[in-house]
Amino acid sequence: AQKITQTQPGMFVQEKEAVTLDCTYDTSDPSYGLFWYKQPSSGEMIFLIYQGSYDQQNATEGRYSLNFQKARKSANLVISASQLGDSAMYFCAMRGVNDYKLSFGAGTTVTVRA
Amino acid sequence: DVKVTQSSRYLVKRTGEKVFLECVQDMDHENMFWYRQDPGLGLRLIYFSYDVKMKEKGDIPEGYSVSREKKERFSLILESASTNQTSMYLCASSSWAGAITEAFFGQGTRLTVV
Repeated sequence: AQKITQTQPGMFVQEKEAVTLDCTYDTSDPSYGLFWYKQPSSGEMIFLIYQGSYDQQNATEGRYSLNFQKARKSANLVISASQLGDSAMYFCAMRGVNDYKLSFGAGTTVTVRA
Repeated sequence: DVKVTQSSRYLVKRTGEKVFLECVQDMDHENMFWYRQDPGLGLRLIYFSYDVKMKEKGDIPEGYSVSREKKERFSLILESASTNQTSMYLCASSSWAGAITEAFFGQGTRLTVV
């Protein structure tokens, strides 16, 4: 079974600054994928970024980057140059290669201040 | 544009009613999921299906059942709604192509049981 831990219930960040959202995980799967999703107040879940456990490079997608430290079992999301539209809840999730489902953390609410 | 569509954004039902939440995806995905989202708990898996007429219990299946008669449609059924089932319900789908891929989500159904 997978376990995802997000220890920051809420964070404030100033517009144009970077913010790091923490995520640690635990799994017995030899191969797995890590995901970050954004959920604005409207409720839909938006896929942001993916990191495979055997990927050599940290994943990046525009202003999103994933700081993957496999030995520490952490997969932190970095949002650079924050914008007001980044205010949302962010979820870390993972799926093992032998598993059908995504397991989620409790989420972190990010509020961007002007 | 790929899509997962849930039949209702908001529902209000009475205690004891039988409730149907419908989800349709147009991506020909094998896997479909029902999650429940509550503050501080993240997303918890209720049921999932990896093929037509196949279903598996997730982490919190009590009080729920599901139906998957066609590949594109996955229904969640609350046999006798109770107030502790007031929550946000999210449907998702994903492919099973031998690689770990992201799940796509519907817009969510906010269910209130009174």
